[in-house]
This record gives sequence, C-alpha cells and structure tokens, in this order.
Amino acid sequence: EPEVTQTPSHQVTQMGQEVILRCVPISNHLYFYWYRQILGQKVEFLVSFYNNEISEKSEIFDDQFSVERPDGSNFTLKIRSTKLEDSAMYFCASSAGLGGNEQFFGPGTRLTVL
Amino acid sequence: AQSVTQPDIHITVSEGASLELRCNYSYGATPYLFWYVQSPGQGLQLLLKYFSGDTLVQGIKGFEAEFKRSQSSFNLRKPSVHWSDAAEYFCAVGAQGAAGNKLTFGGGTRVLVKP
Repeated sequence: EPEVTQTPSHQVTQMGQEVILRCVPISNHLYFYWYRQILGQKVEFLVSFYNNEISEKSEIFDDQFSVERPDGSNFTLKIRSTKLEDSAMYFCASSAGLGGNEQFFGPGTRLTVL
Repeated sequence: AQSVTQPDIHITVSEGASLELRCNYSYGATPYLFWYVQSPGQGLQLLLKYFSGDTLVQGIKGFEAEFKRSQSSFNLRKPSVHWSDAAEYFCAVGAQGAAGNKLTFGGGTRVLVKP
C-alpha cells in the first residue's frame, strides 16, 4: 500500500540553525500539506501546496518557513532560523484531490530545538 | 472560522466494552468530517469520513460515526473494544478553499484499554 514517508524521524538542532524536513508524498497525489503538533497541543495546519505553489497558509507559517517540491517526488519544509518554540512533531500529508479526499499522513519528524 | 472540540482528553475502557468518543465542530457550511487514529510512533490513519449522504458512516477496524447536524456533532463509536484500539483519536473538519483543503483538528482523546 502506498504511503507517505518522512525523514528524518528525529532532528535535534541548535536555536538559530536552519533545518530541512523531507517528505515523499504518495506518487500520484497532487496536493501536499504540512502540519505540526507541539507536545500536548492540537495538530495545527501550516501550509498546503498545489501546482508548485502555496495554496493556503496559516498565520504560523511566517517568513522563516518555506516549502518546496524540488524534484517531483520530494516535498520539503525549511525553517530558516529555528526558535525554541518550533520544537514539535511535523507531519507531512498528501491527497489526490480536494474536498472529501483523504489526506494521507506520514509518521512525522520530531524536531527538537535546543 | 472552523473549529473542533473533543471534550474528553482521556478515556479508559475495558476490553470488550463499548466506546464512544465525542466530537463537536463549528463550521459555517456543510462540513467534511474525519476521524483519525494515531498509535504511538505512527502517523495519523483515517478511520472514516463524512461529507454527504447517510449520516451514519462505517469505517475501518469496526468503527462508526454519526453526523448530527442539529447538535454539530460527529461522535465515534465502537461496540466492542480490543486492546489494539488503545491510541489517540482525532476528529477533524475540512473545508474546501479556493485551492486548498486544510484540516482543523480537535485536541484528541487518548483511549486506554484495560484487560
């Protein structure tokens, strides 16, 4: 069964450093998403991506965040200058379409900022 | 703005007993509603979804949920719980925007299963 994969599973970084979280969505999907979950809090939407551009982003997704689909298979989330409050589990998801189409989630990357 | 409330943070249930997880949503139009389950170290797996038609929807692993528009609820049920159902359960509402489909999640309910 096709699945969304994410690497690394755990990333530890120093405050102020740049990190790139990587995702491989399901191959025939067209819509891609990043969500995050701070420990003990809700899963929160960050950004959606379609046709090589951001289609929607939340207020969390400020200028320090960016997304890219560099090669037609990977989907990355970059955080330019990490802060302590960026520590969270980051989930990538993909879907074949909109509306009632299921978003398939990856296992997540746990980011720890020291 | 859409929102989801899951009133129960933790629920403990005996194996073989029935389970009901509550979900209330706020959304201006007909919502798309989802239940996801997250086992430790795993991603979010879809249990079931509702977007139109029959208000009682069947999902995987023996789960079902009922959409009640008058109560803005989408409660998840299982008649007989198995030890493997111990996990965290998330209710979510989806909205179709211009070109996106963000999900808004509730806070989750952690289910513990007693032998």
